[in-house]
Amino acid sequence: GAGVSQSPRYKVAKRGQDVALRCDPISGHVSLFWYQQALGQGPEFLTYFQNEAQLDKSGLPSDRFFAERPEGSVSTLKIQRTQQEDSAVYLCASSPYRVSSGNTIYFGEGSWLTVV
Amino acid sequence: TQLLEQSPQFLSIQEGENLTVYCNSSSVFSSLQWYRQEPGEGPVLLVTVVTGGEVKKLKRLTFQFGDARKDSSLHITAAQPGDTGLYLCAGARGAAGNKLTFGGGTRVLVKP
Repeated sequence: GAGVSQSPRYKVAKRGQDVALRCDPISGHVSLFWYQQALGQGPEFLTYFQNEAQLDKSGLPSDRFFAERPEGSVSTLKIQRTQQEDSAVYLCASSPYRVSSGNTIYFGEGSWLTVV
Repeated sequence: TQLLEQSPQFLSIQEGENLTVYCNSSSVFSSLQWYRQEPGEGPVLLVTVVTGGEVKKLKRLTFQFGDARKDSSLHITAAQPGDTGLYLCAGARGAAGNKLTFGGGTRVLVKP
């Protein structure tokens, strides 16, 4: 498809397990974002890539969270030693612009993570 | 604590009624966007407002950006069941323009 694709759509992890969430942005999009959306709340910023460079990771909640985009296209968000508070929808978004302020970014459908 | 406060959190109305959703902050934003999110999907952009006092219309939806660029409103005229969803406002600030700050969302239910 032509949109942002995320996998897996649903993931149930046991507490302490490591998980990896994948994002395929729209082809050619320079900027890629990860957001975390807890149940009943708005999305919260996690991290931002411009091509392969991670320019902002100020929203990552702990050092258990790690994101990469080694070739400037596909990105992976990894969560180590998952905790119950990590349960949320993880949204990936991409944009053709280097500066997204005022410009359109396109969200994927999200990866739903439940930690039991 | 959300930097952007949305109100109300939940709104249930009958088809044909009007509704207004508010998005308020003590911070100035260089741009503000409104999204609609349906269950199991990601947010979809409805509109971007950039200039203080700006008003934009999208069919039955009217968006306004406050003069001081700290607040915004979304007004829906003659709501339809298809307008049901989670409405989110999101602001971008200057040099941090690549980081959107979202409000907590307003869940709208339009009953036929």
